[in-house]
Amino acid sequence: DAGVIQSPRHEVTEMGQEVTLRCKPISGHDYLFWYRQTMMRGLELLIYFNNNVPIDDSGMPEDRFSAKMPNASFSTLKIQPSEPRDSAVYFCASSFRDRNGYTFGSGTRLTVV
Amino acid sequence: GQQLNQSPQSMFIQEGEDVSMNCTSSSIFNTWLWYKQDPGEGPVLLIALYKAGELTSNGRLTAQFGITRKDSFLNISASIPSDVGIYFCAGHFQGAQKLVFGQGTRLTINP
Repeated sequence: DAGVIQSPRHEVTEMGQEVTLRCKPISGHDYLFWYRQTMMRGLELLIYFNNNVPIDDSGMPEDRFSAKMPNASFSTLKIQPSEPRDSAVYFCASSFRDRNGYTFGSGTRLTVV
Repeated sequence: GQQLNQSPQSMFIQEGEDVSMNCTSSSIFNTWLWYKQDPGEGPVLLIALYKAGELTSNGRLTAQFGITRKDSFLNISASIPSDVGIYFCAGHFQGAQKLVFGQGTRLTINP
């Protein structure tokens, strides 16, 4: 298995633009998580899905952020409109059952200028 | 609220030295996990602990799930340059589904 695949690896965009981050979880995993990592706040859970259904989005910072999981092999995190304070590394992770260790992707480094 | 504290925040050691880091929580954990993050990559699972008192090794790494279920430690023996990185503890609070991460311990090794 290729692991959790995220794209793009790097994204530089101008303030106000829409940004879409993509994730392909490991086949067979039933949980998918979106995390954001910054120096100040560390790893923050934004939202997670179980069997493609959003379970907890309480970590989503505001309405500008949205996430979807249309099927078991694909998820997106969208920011519209983007702001400089959204600059961070965004990780997607998946797991089989929620009590096991998560497998993380390599992340998307987002820079909003 | 529920808090997870990891210490130390950073460590500067000589190659060959042993390393110890720990995490404490304000509430009981059902699982403790230890991850390592290399620059430009996502965290990678090193060791998973599921029972109070459990002691698990993975090569030069050893981790334990505290008997009180509120703490865990990770030891690295005979450190080598590739051990450099950020180490995170993580776990599930009792009754919670979300995995909570510590702030991380940044390990730097002088050759």
